[in-house]
Amino acid sequence: ETGVTQSPTHLIKTRGQQVTLRCSSQSGHNTVSWYQQALGQGPQFIFQYYREEENGRGNFPPRFSGLQFPNYSSELNVNALELDDSALYLCASSLGTSGRMSTDTQYFGPGTRLTVL
Amino acid sequence: AQSVTQPDIHITVSEGASLELRCNYSYGATPYLFWYVQSPGQGLQLLLKYFSGDTLVQGIKGFEAEFKRSQSSFNLRKPSVHWSDAAEYFCAVGARSGNTPLVFGKGTRLSVIA
Repeated sequence: ETGVTQSPTHLIKTRGQQVTLRCSSQSGHNTVSWYQQALGQGPQFIFQYYREEENGRGNFPPRFSGLQFPNYSSELNVNALELDDSALYLCASSLGTSGRMSTDTQYFGPGTRLTVL
Repeated sequence: AQSVTQPDIHITVSEGASLELRCNYSYGATPYLFWYVQSPGQGLQLLLKYFSGDTLVQGIKGFEAEFKRSQSSFNLRKPSVHWSDAAEYFCAVGARSGNTPLVFGKGTRLSVIA
């Protein structure tokens, strides 16, 4: 059974650029959530996709957008990068049986470390 | 909305000593409660969770946590710490009503010394 994988591992961008992060969910999982973890902080929820539809969104501006594909892999896109976007971006997959974000057990990938200069 | 506080930023314990990591939550009812561990360069791994029933929850790697409604706490414990337990630990709280995501604390970094 393959776990959650994310690519790339590290990324360096400059302010104003755009970035795409990728996540492959664990086999059999239909739900993907994205989190931002700034240095010294806990993960903050960005959004979740359940069966290719957005199922919830945290307090992040519209320049953070996402996509889930038919094979349930997912992308996180960030436009117009700002210095404060520097963080570890975590993807988590789950088998959405309840449709509720707080009960389905999430399995996290190792994250993508984004540095914005 | 729910919130969670982990009062200790960093804790150092000796190998073989007992461990308790504190977690306090704020929520109008009994929430769902979780503990995750994050090792360097890795994602978060679920240690244990509390939904209902027995307030003492057993998890993986010898960890347990106790839900105390009167204290709004969900502290994580381990009777004997191993050097491999050195990591960042996160408490998270989920709401029972509606469809809202988990809210994570800021984490407690555990260092283990010989």
